[in-house]
Amino acid sequence: AQSVTQLGSHVSVSEGALVLLRCNYSSSVPPYLFWYVQYPNQGLQLLLKYTTGATLVKGINGFEAEFKKSETSFHLTKPSAHMSDAAEYFCAVSAPTGGGNKLTFGTGTQLKVEL
Amino acid sequence: DGGITQSPKYLFRKEGQNVTLSCEQNLNHDAMYWYRQDPGQGLRLIYYSQIVNDFQKGDIAEGYSVSREKKESFPLTVTSAQKNPTAFYLCASRGNTGELFFGEGSRLTVL
Repeated sequence: AQSVTQLGSHVSVSEGALVLLRCNYSSSVPPYLFWYVQYPNQGLQLLLKYTTGATLVKGINGFEAEFKKSETSFHLTKPSAHMSDAAEYFCAVSAPTGGGNKLTFGTGTQLKVEL
Repeated sequence: DGGITQSPKYLFRKEGQNVTLSCEQNLNHDAMYWYRQDPGQGLRLIYYSQIVNDFQKGDIAEGYSVSREKKESFPLTVTSAQKNPTAFYLCASRGNTGELFFGEGSRLTVL
């Protein structure tokens, strides 16, 4: 079984400040990890993904995440927040073999960016 | 453009009625998924299909049904047996490295 925990359902930062959204996962096999962003009344858009190889993954819109196996974490960061980053962010985990490759999502973190 | 098309975007239903949400993809993906989204609960898997003419129940399949007669299409029917159907429904297909590509969603409201 696999699961995802996102710490903090709401995060607020000032424009220009560091964004840090936390994600911890549980998986019985080496996982694939994903971050998605959702704007109101829209579908989810892939920000970045980790499958194998380099543990620091760069995504769209200046976001990046680091896979830390020892900490079972995949936190999302962005050096400088922009107003357009305000959205809901979801971390997800999948097992690359078996189980229909289902993604399990966290409950989401709403990011607010203030002037 | 390639992608996932969901329709309708907004749908209203009276209690006791079945409704069908459409999901079409032109990405040539084998696997497709339906998720339900409620505030504060993230996404929960309803049904998924890994190949044409085959599908499996997800975590919250009760009150829902699906079919997969064509690779491009994976419609979801919300039946009258679903006790709390008001939600945002998301359809997705799976790419080669496990990522999901999502449609824009369908918001169902029961009157």
